[in-house]
Amino acid sequence: GAGVSQSPRYKVTKRGQDVALRCDPISGHVSLYWYRQALGQGPEFLTYFNYEAQQDKSGLPNDRFSAERPEGSISTLTIQRTEQRDSAMYRCASSADTNTEAFFGQGTRLTVV
Amino acid sequence: GQNIDQPTEMTATEGAIVQINCTYQTSGFNGLFWYQQHAGEAPTFLSYNVLDGLEEKGRFSSFLSRSKGYSYLLLKELQMKDSASYLCARRNNQGGKLIFGQGTELSVKP
Repeated sequence: GAGVSQSPRYKVTKRGQDVALRCDPISGHVSLYWYRQALGQGPEFLTYFNYEAQQDKSGLPNDRFSAERPEGSISTLTIQRTEQRDSAMYRCASSADTNTEAFFGQGTRLTVV
Repeated sequence: GQNIDQPTEMTATEGAIVQINCTYQTSGFNGLFWYQQHAGEAPTFLSYNVLDGLEEKGRFSSFLSRSKGYSYLLLKELQMKDSASYLCARRNNQGGKLIFGQGTELSVKP
């Protein structure tokens, strides 16, 4: 597509449910990043991929969070047994390679009630 | 660590010039990015520096000193629409991990 596409744009879920957030990067982009952003703060790094390989997952808060990019294109961030503290804006970005700028999607606003 | 420091907020006057500073840890550095983020929107790319010196793009310029772990974003002829958060981000030299600072909230007053 023309830009990075994230779905859903908004997700309200009950505490304890699992959620899957989807990111469709710009076609052909090698690198894909997941961030979480609180109001008034910069994007907080979660994990990133080059092609299908997860290069770094050091930013994932705990083992309830996981991400995959099985075919080196679309990626899914999964949060199991959601908690209220997981409520945030989750942003995905992609870049053509490991040296160029990253382009962001519009994000998924997750609310855990 | 990846410590990136930038001021939390700044205020400037329409038509003026403002400089937003960013310092970062130099080890493993492989490029410095500046992004603009308006409230409720996604960050958008402004500039990229990997070598020392000044990169100019219209009203916006960005400077990098690798030895000092220092960058700044210079905005000239400020307009009201420049009111936004400005994010400094550094890239690592091992595969491209991109880490952001907390952002500087710039308010442009008439």
